[in-house]
Amino acid sequence: DAGVTQSPTHLIKTRGQQVTLRCSPISGHKSVSWYQQVLGQGPQFIFQYYEKEERGRGNFPDRFSARQFPNYSSELNVNALLLGDSALYLCASSRTVADTQYFGPGTRLTVL
Amino acid sequence: QKEVEQNSGPLSVPEGAIASLNCTYSDRVSQSFFWYRQYSGKSPELIMSIYSNGDKEDGRFTAQLNKASQYVSLLIRDSQPSDSATYLCAVNTGTASKLTFGTGTRLQVTL
Repeated sequence: DAGVTQSPTHLIKTRGQQVTLRCSPISGHKSVSWYQQVLGQGPQFIFQYYEKEERGRGNFPDRFSARQFPNYSSELNVNALLLGDSALYLCASSRTVADTQYFGPGTRLTVL
Repeated sequence: QKEVEQNSGPLSVPEGAIASLNCTYSDRVSQSFFWYRQYSGKSPELIMSIYSNGDKEDGRFTAQLNKASQYVSLLIRDSQPSDSATYLCAVNTGTASKLTFGTGTRLQVTL
């Protein structure tokens, strides 16, 4: 079975722009979580979605938003980009909310 | 106090030796514990999960959990150069399914 997929792989934006990152979970998984990982740190939780509903939100500003579609894929949107948003954005899928999470390859976002 | 603490390393061990990676957590209601391996520039890969006190073995890997001491560890036997990576400890309280990660321990296996 295919693993978690994310697109794009790399992205370069300038300050103030908006970005949309996409994630497709493992087949049969209904929950998607988003994490931000800056260099030298562990991933930080941003959002979790299950059955199209938000089930958790981390300590991130309202510039960050997400949604989940009927096919369980998900998008993460970040508005008004700041230099500090430069990071590896990871999507993880799990069968249900509490199950083991498996990570996709990530999207490397660079904000100039 | 950080929610999940790990020594950042680097931890250097010779090939064939046992590598011991440690992690402490602060939330006593934590229920699920995970070790992920992350190669430079790549995403985290699940190595082990453990839910109850004691040891859990999978090949060369053994996870150990002590909830009373709020401590979880990962032992890697017969360490190989390909084990050189950053090992992330992650904790799930169970009430919310978010994973809380430590900063990771960088392991270097030398020839």
